[in-house]
Amino acid sequence: DAKTTQPPSMDCAEGRAANLPCNHSTISGNEYVYWYRQIHSQGPQYIIHGLKNNETNEMASLIITEDRKSSTLILPHATLRDTAVYYCIVRVLGDDKIIFGKGTRLHILP
Amino acid sequence: DAGITQSPRHKVTETGTPVTLRCHQTENHRYMYWYRQDPGHGLRLIHYSYGVKDTDKGEVSDGYSVSRSKTEDFLLTLESATSSQTSVYFCAIGGYSNQPQHFGDGTRLSIL
Repeated sequence: DAKTTQPPSMDCAEGRAANLPCNHSTISGNEYVYWYRQIHSQGPQYIIHGLKNNETNEMASLIITEDRKSSTLILPHATLRDTAVYYCIVRVLGDDKIIFGKGTRLHILP
Repeated sequence: DAGITQSPRHKVTETGTPVTLRCHQTENHRYMYWYRQDPGHGLRLIHYSYGVKDTDKGEVSDGYSVSRSKTEDFLLTLESATSSQTSVYFCAIGGYSNQPQHFGDGTRLSIL
């Protein structure tokens, strides 16, 4: 079973920041937080990952709480092309497998 | 984009026929994976490979076999396809240590 909890859906206005929450209250010290998204009919796309520090790349920012029990993915300026299902995943360092939950369906509203 | 090519992209076949799906990578990754995605179940791991001729089962491996005779190719075979294997199949590469997996565009398989 997935070790994360995400809201099933969210709306965000185009041009605004989209903040997607994820709860991973049972995360252990050697587990990373990964975010992927899946645009309709395409393969999952890797976005970002982190262990305990906040991370930023060209796509998004990842904010992990100090106790590591939750995180937020931030898309700074959402566009219609960001409409997708977003998956938050925890994975043990060195584990070959990742387990996808149901994710959050993000709707970007024009 | 990661250099992953899945073939075919779409296939329709009949129950009882053998089917082979191919995943080809140009990234020289040691690890490769096969997933299936179904409504209500999300992505589920079928088999994975951690090197040439080294493979292992995932959570839904029954009815599937795999082969990896060279680094760049990972084949998924349905020896005798059943309607329950109608699905979208994704290949992924990478994932060693804390590095992310990268996914192909999928193969949509329909078993009639």
